[in-house]
Amino acid sequence: QSALTQPRSVSGSPGQSVTISCTGTNSDVGGYNYVSWYQHHPGKAPKLMIYDVSKRPSGVPDRFSGSKSGNTASLTISGLQAEDEADYYCCSYAGSYTFVFGTGTKVTVL
Amino acid sequence: EVQLVESGGGLVQPGGSLRLSCAASGFTFSSHAMSWVRQAPGKGLEWVSATRGSGGRTNYADSVKGRFTISRDNSKNTLYLQMNSLRAEDTAVYYCAKAVDGYSYGNYYYYYMDVWGKGTTVTVSS
Repeated sequence: QSALTQPRSVSGSPGQSVTISCTGTNSDVGGYNYVSWYQHHPGKAPKLMIYDVSKRPSGVPDRFSGSKSGNTASLTISGLQAEDEADYYCCSYAGSYTFVFGTGTKVTVL
Repeated sequence: EVQLVESGGGLVQPGGSLRLSCAASGFTFSSHAMSWVRQAPGKGLEWVSATRGSGGRTNYADSVKGRFTISRDNSKNTLYLQMNSLRAEDTAVYYCAKAVDGYSYGNYYYYYMDVWGKGTTVTVSS
């Protein structure tokens, strides 16, 4: 149950695009199309942004998109906005009825 | 409105026990898997445990297996986490989350967590 690997931080100016990678193994990210992404503002409840690799829940702006290739999933935020500044975590089904989270990425809007 | 409210956190000595509760509302609690996730100070999110809607299947992270027990009372729409033999490294904010699960090609999976509570803080210290 090792955590998925994410960059510690990414940054961009308003209107730019940023992409966060999430690297796992054949036993989690690469083995299932059950990757989800969560936005977390400190002190608040985490919020589901992407599920099943690339699907967006109702109410999540289409600026957020997800994809996967092999053992690496990615979250792209297009048209970055100030309110997007937060911590982002990927999560994958990891077999044997368990989840595994990524290490987390801090997104900074310059 | 779908809502999850955690309670029961507090300060406990190493080796002690604590029971967290999560009150659910706004959805048919017994039909949904539920999960606990924690975040230690300065660290990332860590999945702790999950249980199916019926409560029949429970699973744990290796870090808590044998010490923590997840359970639910579907008549009270409440999820629990009994934490025993607590260690300093269990200090964290504990979140309750509604999990989406299902069957694909005959196999059962947990898919993702779609609703989260605001968390309750557990501090293990002497």
